[in-house]
Amino acid sequence: GQSLEQPSEVTAVEGAIVQINCTYQTSGFYGLSWYQQHDGGAPTFLSYNALDGLEETGRFSSFLSRSDSYGYLLLQELQMKDSASYFCAVRDGLDSNYQLIWGAGTKLIIKP
Amino acid sequence: DAGVIQSPRHEVTEMGQEVTLRCKPISGHNSLFWYRQTMMRGLELLIYFNNNVPIDDSGMPEDRFSAKMPNASFSTLKIQPSEPRDSAVYFCASSLDSYSGNTIYFGEGSWLTVV
Repeated sequence: GQSLEQPSEVTAVEGAIVQINCTYQTSGFYGLSWYQQHDGGAPTFLSYNALDGLEETGRFSSFLSRSDSYGYLLLQELQMKDSASYFCAVRDGLDSNYQLIWGAGTKLIIKP
Repeated sequence: DAGVIQSPRHEVTEMGQEVTLRCKPISGHNSLFWYRQTMMRGLELLIYFNNNVPIDDSGMPEDRFSAKMPNASFSTLKIQPSEPRDSAVYFCASSLDSYSGNTIYFGEGSWLTVV
């Protein structure tokens, strides 16, 4: 079956760096995405990796290793507004009609 | 450009009543998704459409749920009759297409409470 594993909660200090890991098991793989969701809000797209390596977008970076079925989201210079839930999602293959399979989300708690 | 627009934002209804949630996708997007989010089950894909045609409704929990997309700019998700366990946030989302690209744009959600 398909599954994505990510920690349920991570705590970090304002100004620090935090890494949120995601391991996946899917029948197909067409990219790993990350979404951010603030309490009471909608998920919003953060980043996407189709190939191995690091993608950087400002303070956020995302990494993928397809051989390890693993990726992570790296948040630098943490700000209080980064307190949110972060979801990894993998686009699966034909078995799932190429749809996104979602992780359960990681709640990031930032302390001052 | 306007994002995905959902209505109502909040609805409280009594068990047994019919609930209709509405969605306007981003103009030009060919795929539309209905998701449900709860603390217990996380984010669940209920159904999605490509070019107004339902492609996969295997996530629809039971026959009480139905979804339509009569044209490219409008979709509805209907629950009849509603039950307390249907209480959740229902998100509509759209993307350019459902087979490539990984950016899905979500609406602000419809918060449903069934009492």
